[in-house]
Amino acid sequence: AQSVAQPEDQVNVAEGNPLTVKCTYSVSGNPYLFWYVQYPNRGLQFLLKYITGDNLVKGSYGFEAEFNKSQTSFHLKKPSALVSDSALYFCAVRDLGFQKLVFGTGTRLLVSP
Amino acid sequence: DAGVTQSPTHLIKTRGQQVTLRCSPKSGHDTVSWYQQALGQGPQFIFQYYEEEERQRGNFPDRFSGHQFPNYSSELNVNALLLGDSALYLCASSLMMGTNEQFFGPGTRLTVL
Repeated sequence: AQSVAQPEDQVNVAEGNPLTVKCTYSVSGNPYLFWYVQYPNRGLQFLLKYITGDNLVKGSYGFEAEFNKSQTSFHLKKPSALVSDSALYFCAVRDLGFQKLVFGTGTRLLVSP
Repeated sequence: DAGVTQSPTHLIKTRGQQVTLRCSPKSGHDTVSWYQQALGQGPQFIFQYYEEEERQRGNFPDRFSGHQFPNYSSELNVNALLLGDSALYLCASSLMMGTNEQFFGPGTRLTVL
């Protein structure tokens, strides 16, 4: 079965510093990987996806993610964090043959001024 | 272009009651998926509808049922509510063909007392 793991419950970073939110995956076949962000009392907002092609994926709001097949990882990154980036981030993998998404447990990002 | 909309925003029910949640997909989308997000957890897939049929189902009991209408909107019904059904219910829309990402609505917060 497809699955993703987010090993960190929370990531703390100072504004202006680079941030990384980690995700590892376990899939059969080629992975379709996604990152979503959730602000308090809101639904999920799509950030970026990896289907195929370049290992570095550019997304919304200056975020990017690096796909690493050998390490089965898909870490979310941003060169310079903003306080407004503080939110809950979810990594997800799409189920084979369907559009069902399997989500990780989420990582809370706190960016301090 | 309207995104995914859900109604109602909040709902309070008592154990044993029945509830219906509604979702209108993003314009042009033909597939609707429903997810349950318990407090502090990642979203869990309930089921997916396409062409007015349930195409895939997650690990949820038969108390959870759904429907998709010809205009692609969808309903989620939960019978015999339990305290454990308290959660944020998210609707996501997408296109069945291709690798398009799912767009999520703001969710309906269900509280069962």
